[in-house]
Amino acid sequence: DAGVIQSPRHEVTEMGQEVTLRCKPISGHDYLFWYRQTMMRGLELLIYFNNNVPIDDSGMPEDRFSAKMPNASFSTLKIQPSEPRDSAVYFCASSSGRADGYTFGSGTRLTVV
Amino acid sequence: GDSVTQMEGPVTLSEEAFLTINCTYTATGYPSLFWYVQYPGEGLQLLLKATKADDKGSNKGFEATYRKETTSFHLEKGSVQVSDSAVYFCALRSYTGGFKTIFGAGTRLFVKA
Repeated sequence: DAGVIQSPRHEVTEMGQEVTLRCKPISGHDYLFWYRQTMMRGLELLIYFNNNVPIDDSGMPEDRFSAKMPNASFSTLKIQPSEPRDSAVYFCASSSGRADGYTFGSGTRLTVV
Repeated sequence: GDSVTQMEGPVTLSEEAFLTINCTYTATGYPSLFWYVQYPGEGLQLLLKATKADDKGSNKGFEATYRKETTSFHLEKGSVQVSDSAVYFCALRSYTGGFKTIFGAGTRLFVKA
């Protein structure tokens, strides 16, 4: 398996623009997580899915953020409109079971100018 | 709620020194415990795990023992290498947490040649 695949690796956008981050989890994993990492706040859980259904989105900062998982092999995180404070590394991770560890993607480094 | 506390860094060691990174947790029930490692510019990687009391997880010379009586999961390595320089995260995952993982703040390790 190629692991968790995220795209793009880097994204630079202007304030106010829409940004879409993509994630392909490991086949057979039924949990998918979106995290954000910054120096100031560390690793923050934004939202997670189980069997494509959103379970907990309490970490989504505000209505500008939305996430979807239309099928077991694909998820998106969208920010509209983007703001400079959204600049961070966004990670997607997947897991096969309730007690298992996560496999993380390589992340998307987002810079909003 | 569940929580993880790990020692603050950075930790600076000389090559071949003994490493200990302390981690304690608070959780109801019986969580699974993990150590993850993050190298610069990469996502977190699962280093080792333990799923029940007295289990010892080990990988790449690192080991940690699940101590329920002291609610601890300290990471150790007998002889560190320069290539071990990274950020290490202690984490737990439990039913009461909705099976999402709670991460510690991370401990940065520098190993000098």
